[in-house]
Amino acid sequence: AQTVTQSQPEMSVQEAETVTLSCTYDTSESNYYLFWYKQPPSRQMILVIRQEAYKQQNATENRFSVNFQKAAKSFSLKISDSQLGDTAMYFCASLKGGSQGNLIFGKGTKLSVKP
Amino acid sequence: NAGVMQNPRHLVRRRGQEARLRCSPMKGHSHVYWYRQLPEEGLKFMVYLQKENIIDESGMPKERFSAEFPKEGPSILRIQQVVRGDSAAYFCASSPRGIGGNTIYFGEGSWLTVV
Repeated sequence: AQTVTQSQPEMSVQEAETVTLSCTYDTSESNYYLFWYKQPPSRQMILVIRQEAYKQQNATENRFSVNFQKAAKSFSLKISDSQLGDTAMYFCASLKGGSQGNLIFGKGTKLSVKP
Repeated sequence: NAGVMQNPRHLVRRRGQEARLRCSPMKGHSHVYWYRQLPEEGLKFMVYLQKENIIDESGMPKERFSAEFPKEGPSILRIQQVVRGDSAAYFCASSPRGIGGNTIYFGEGSWLTVV
């Protein structure tokens, strides 16, 4: 079965500093998609960043970037210049091979940004 | 362009009652997904629907749960004879096509409490 593992239940970072959230996954597919979602206290799920496995280049969205290591099946999220509004649960997810709708989520990392 | 709309946001049901959760996808989106989030957990896929068709229901419990996405109107997730273990947040998401080539957008969730 496809799995996504986030090994850091909680993390904290000082405002303006950089933090990296870890994610590893397991899939037998050759092509797949990986995602990071943010869930702030409002509980809405917000897409942070998306990576297509066949693309070598790491995805970047403003202060958010990923380190995609395909051979190691690792997909970490780096948040630069952390802001108080980044405080949230962060979920890593993969698209199940052969499915168009079945995202597999990790258990999440609770990130606290401290002033 | 309004986002994915879910209602009700909060629903309280007594054990044995029925719960109906509604989801209106973003305009132009014909693919709908339902996910469930238990406390302290990531989201778990339940079902993927296109207009009038269930594409993948591999995450749906075999009994008491059903989903539909009629030609007209919102998608409905129906839970019959609710039990305490059904208490969770239920998220709906939509996309213009299957996830593989597209981003899916989540609604704000419906919180079901069974008392």
